[in-house]
Amino acid sequence: GEDVEQSLFLSVREGDSSVINCTYTDSSSTYLYWYKQEPGAGLQLLTYIFSNMDMKQDQRLTVLLNKKDKHLSLRIADTQTGDSAIYFCAERRARGSTLGRLYFGRGTQLTVWP
Amino acid sequence: GAGVSQTPSNKVTEKGKYVELRCDPISGHTALYWYRQSLGQGPEFLIYFQGTGAADDSGLPNDRFFAVRPEGSVSTLKIQRTERGDSAVYLCASSSTDKVRNEQFFGPGTRLTVL
Repeated sequence: GEDVEQSLFLSVREGDSSVINCTYTDSSSTYLYWYKQEPGAGLQLLTYIFSNMDMKQDQRLTVLLNKKDKHLSLRIADTQTGDSAIYFCAERRARGSTLGRLYFGRGTQLTVWP
Repeated sequence: GAGVSQTPSNKVTEKGKYVELRCDPISGHTALYWYRQSLGQGPEFLIYFQGTGAADDSGLPNDRFFAVRPEGSVSTLKIQRTERGDSAVYLCASSSTDKVRNEQFFGPGTRLTVL
């Protein structure tokens, strides 16, 4: 499809791992990003992965990339209540777009229960 | 400042009025982007500046929307004859000349409400 797709809601218990999934559209997309948005705030860049990588780990965050299936995931280890937010997947397409323009999914609302 | 700033944070206007939304990017960032985020949606691209020129304005929904960046720093998004459907949060982002990674840093947004 033409849209970046994400499931809309995820609930986890504090201390568990969270996995947020995303399907993007362009197999030649060069960079894929995860942004976090807290209520009333702008988007905060959490992490990104270059398309020649399969995995990237950054402290509690692990990003997995499956280029064949155009599937991206974000795993948050030891999820805390402060991780409750909306998480957006975004792709930077290589074809048919201006350098730099990002395409976002609708976002996944993560709720962490104490 | 340390981050991208946007003013005003909230703007309420009446249908048919003209509004201007301002963005101050991170100092030294040459690229500047405007996105629009409607309720329950992800940000949707509007326009992208590299320096003073609009490199891509294909996301502007119609000719009521216009943006400028005359000195390559501050940008203003202008909306004429506002409609209720223009109500959304307008986000600005900037990035450095590091075109490879293109990390875009977002401001807090301007919430526009058209009555």
